[in-house]
Amino acid sequence: NAGVTQTPKFQVLKTGQSMTLQCAQDMNHNSMYWYRQDPGMGLRLIYYSASEGTTDKGEVPNGYNVSRLNKREFSLRLESAAPSQTSVYFCASSEWRGEEKLFFGSGTQLSVL
Amino acid sequence: AQSVTQLDSQVPVFEEAPVELRCNYSSSVSVYLFWYVQYPNQGLQLLLKYLSGSTLVKGINGFEAEFNKSQTSFHLRKPSVHISDTAEYFCAVTPTGFQKLVFGTGTRLLVSP
Repeated sequence: NAGVTQTPKFQVLKTGQSMTLQCAQDMNHNSMYWYRQDPGMGLRLIYYSASEGTTDKGEVPNGYNVSRLNKREFSLRLESAAPSQTSVYFCASSEWRGEEKLFFGSGTQLSVL
Repeated sequence: AQSVTQLDSQVPVFEEAPVELRCNYSSSVSVYLFWYVQYPNQGLQLLLKYLSGSTLVKGINGFEAEFNKSQTSFHLRKPSVHISDTAEYFCAVTPTGFQKLVFGTGTRLLVSP
């Protein structure tokens, strides 16, 4: 039972570099999410995808893009990384409606120098 | 918009003592409420949720929470904590029928012998 798988687990970038964080779930969930976690700020929603083919902005979308490649996969792209994007990124998925619990991946620790 | 306030950033407690982690929310519409736990270097896991019905909700690992609509609170309690309960706890809210979960800033529970 893999659940939600995120890659990579760790990444160091230089300012201005780009990268894509990958996320895949094997639970046939409709909804997928990207959060960032920063000390003292909890988790903040970057983007989410309520269903395959749709994506919407969350609280902090600036500097990021997403792609819902298919029902299983939801990627997060940093086009030009900035030090302010140093954070721990979590992907999550859920069945459909808000009352269902979120299943989280184990996170990607990203440092932008 | 919805918001969540967790009043305590850190709660130290001795093993076998009771604990209460406080959560207050703000919303102009009906909401679902959740508590998630994050153990070191892991993603978040659902502890319990309130959707409707009984205001006292029981979750995993002996935790429970009480929904108080008049106080707009959803405090988490455990009558006797263990060392293994040391973790960060997040309260979260979402409007009913939507998929955007908003998290509080988290409370770090530190259990010592």
